[in-house]
Amino acid sequence: TQLLEQSPQFLSIQEGENLTVYCNSSSVFSSLQWYRQEPGEGPVLLVTVVTGGEVKKLKRLTFQFGDARKDSSLHITAAQPGDTGLYLCAGVQPGAGSYQLTFGKGTKLSVIP
Amino acid sequence: DVKVTQSSRYLVKRTGEKVFLECVQDMDHENMFWYRQDPGLGLRLIYFSYDVKMKEKGDIPEGYSVSREKKERFSLILESASTNQTSMYLCASSGPLTDTEAFFGQGTRLTVV
Repeated sequence: TQLLEQSPQFLSIQEGENLTVYCNSSSVFSSLQWYRQEPGEGPVLLVTVVTGGEVKKLKRLTFQFGDARKDSSLHITAAQPGDTGLYLCAGVQPGAGSYQLTFGKGTKLSVIP
Repeated sequence: DVKVTQSSRYLVKRTGEKVFLECVQDMDHENMFWYRQDPGLGLRLIYFSYDVKMKEKGDIPEGYSVSREKKERFSLILESASTNQTSMYLCASSGPLTDTEAFFGQGTRLTVV
């Protein structure tokens, strides 16, 4: 059983469209991170959310942590081809060491010009 | 600029060979990790280390071992490579603070023939 479920698995959209990807779990996390991975590279951190209900914005990207700290979403406004990549969520469970990240399987986003 | 460097981008090895994947970080991080990434399976943790000479098994340690003789270097060893170990291998490091960011290397694409 996957601890963190990401949906959708694949997403192909036109430039300028909006989209939301989801990261869901039945477990509580003390924090959740979102990474973006481009082809042939390692993942790079976009944001960390820590407080239930927290919303963080990074230019056209909006990240939200659920009130119960079991889920998170990433919303992209007016997607651009440069947003193409694999988006991964990763969580730290309460009581776990800071090094114990659990990753979702990712959402592969393609933005078509 | 922080950096995690993996020794090879691409590697082709024969079945039964002993394979060494090297990873070096320049951030004085305590924690280092080895993941493998496969389509549809996401990132799976093989081994991690939270200090020099310390190691802990991750979710899929079978067929692998690791070595951490110096703080900056974490090696992954495939004692006898098999075709089902063909994969993308990612090394990461993180600092001692709770919920800290994981910094990834660029990955090593290993093909076992």
